[in-house]
Amino acid sequence: DADVTQTPRNRITKTGKRIMLECSQTKGHDRMYWYRQDPGLGLRLIYYSFDVKDINKGEISDGYSVSRQAQAKFSLSLESAIPNQTALYFCATSDPRTQGAAKNIQYFGAGTRLSVL
Amino acid sequence: AQTVTQSQPEMSVQEAETVTLSCTYDTSESNYYLFWYKQPPSRQMILVIRQEAYKQQNATENRFSVNFQKAAKSFSLKISDSQLGDTAMYFCAFMRGGTASKLTFGTGTRLQVTL
Repeated sequence: DADVTQTPRNRITKTGKRIMLECSQTKGHDRMYWYRQDPGLGLRLIYYSFDVKDINKGEISDGYSVSRQAQAKFSLSLESAIPNQTALYFCATSDPRTQGAAKNIQYFGAGTRLSVL
Repeated sequence: AQTVTQSQPEMSVQEAETVTLSCTYDTSESNYYLFWYKQPPSRQMILVIRQEAYKQQNATENRFSVNFQKAAKSFSLKISDSQLGDTAMYFCAFMRGGTASKLTFGTGTRLQVTL
């Protein structure tokens, strides 16, 4: 089983609908992230969380909200989806306590491809 | 703010040959980390290699190595003995040192390995 699991893998929705993308991890990491990937733009940070009580906006948080339900779960919501939110969404985790060669490495889920019609 | 630039949108290399992917970055920080991630058609993001800025020695991982030029703010990835399985999108990424732990990505280079 994957260490970082994203559900659903693919989703098609309509403009104006509320949608939630879920991420769960078994790595025991405190830090979790949501990124968005668009063609030609690379990945951009939407939100990140350093622990259950700590939520921070990334560079493109407008139109999104998040919930850190537990150390292992971090959900991304689109309150009212619009077509320009069509993208590939990634969740990632990291452990700030890790030292040595693995320090600061982020581990990614398989992504959720979202299409907003 | 940090920026990461990958100036080669697409590259092609023949199997068994060597290819170098370019990456430059802009930062005023002295403590930072650089990464190359690979995204094959399965779309999974896979870490290829990691470099710590304060280490002068270039990182290597099997057929993958980097040329880290700190003064020039350059971080290129060399793939030796290219294999068909190396076909993927490659992203260069920057992370400031300290507690921030946020990644800034380049726009990616699509590498095609041909027979």
